[in-house]
Amino acid sequence: AQKITQTQPGMFVQEKEAVTLDCTYDTSDPSYGLFWYKQPSSGEMIFLIYQGSYDQQNATEGRYSLNFQKARKSANLVISASQLGDSAMYFCAMREVSGGYQKVTFGTGTKLQVIP
Amino acid sequence: SAVISQKPSRDICQRGTSLTIQCQVDSQVTMMFWYRQQPGQSLTLIATANQGSEATYESGFVIDKFPISRPNLTFSTLTVSNMSPEDSSIYLCSVEVGTQLNEKLFFGSGTQLSVL
Repeated sequence: AQKITQTQPGMFVQEKEAVTLDCTYDTSDPSYGLFWYKQPSSGEMIFLIYQGSYDQQNATEGRYSLNFQKARKSANLVISASQLGDSAMYFCAMREVSGGYQKVTFGTGTKLQVIP
Repeated sequence: SAVISQKPSRDICQRGTSLTIQCQVDSQVTMMFWYRQQPGQSLTLIATANQGSEATYESGFVIDKFPISRPNLTFSTLTVSNMSPEDSSIYLCSVEVGTQLNEKLFFGSGTQLSVL
């Protein structure tokens, strides 16, 4: 079974609108962490936001917020007021204990295109 | 966060040669991670490098092909040996920063490798 599932290969959003990128995860580890990264065409991986499994409140970082629904095992990224510079690949990732040590697994990514 | 310098940023190499990628962090970190991202794919962990010990390789990756050095707590190298066109990928180093069970994963700018 996939550890991290991103069901949207590609998304379009109008500039200044909000967009939600979906991510579901699967783990039996009670202590885990969830990440979102942005990868522009240059190839670098830019850390956006982090949610720990024990965090009571949804994480927010500027225009980014993480809609964490623990019972549903989902960790959707919400980008508010989209900008042209938001066009990039977005990866969801999960850190868990696997084989006795911590490991981070990445989803397949969602390509977001912001339309002027 | 952490500032991670990775070089070279890109290279074009001939089949059968080797390339060493360097990763320098601005603070001491226990573990450094090396990832590969094949064209159009997600990130796959190659190995975990601890200072003073042998790197731990993931399934499908071997030390002879991807030797790793970790001479101190701020530096690591990954060598891609005896390259073939299938090794054309983005290679990224990363580190974990933060308190236990709440670590965040930060990446270097990546090395875009093309093998002819």
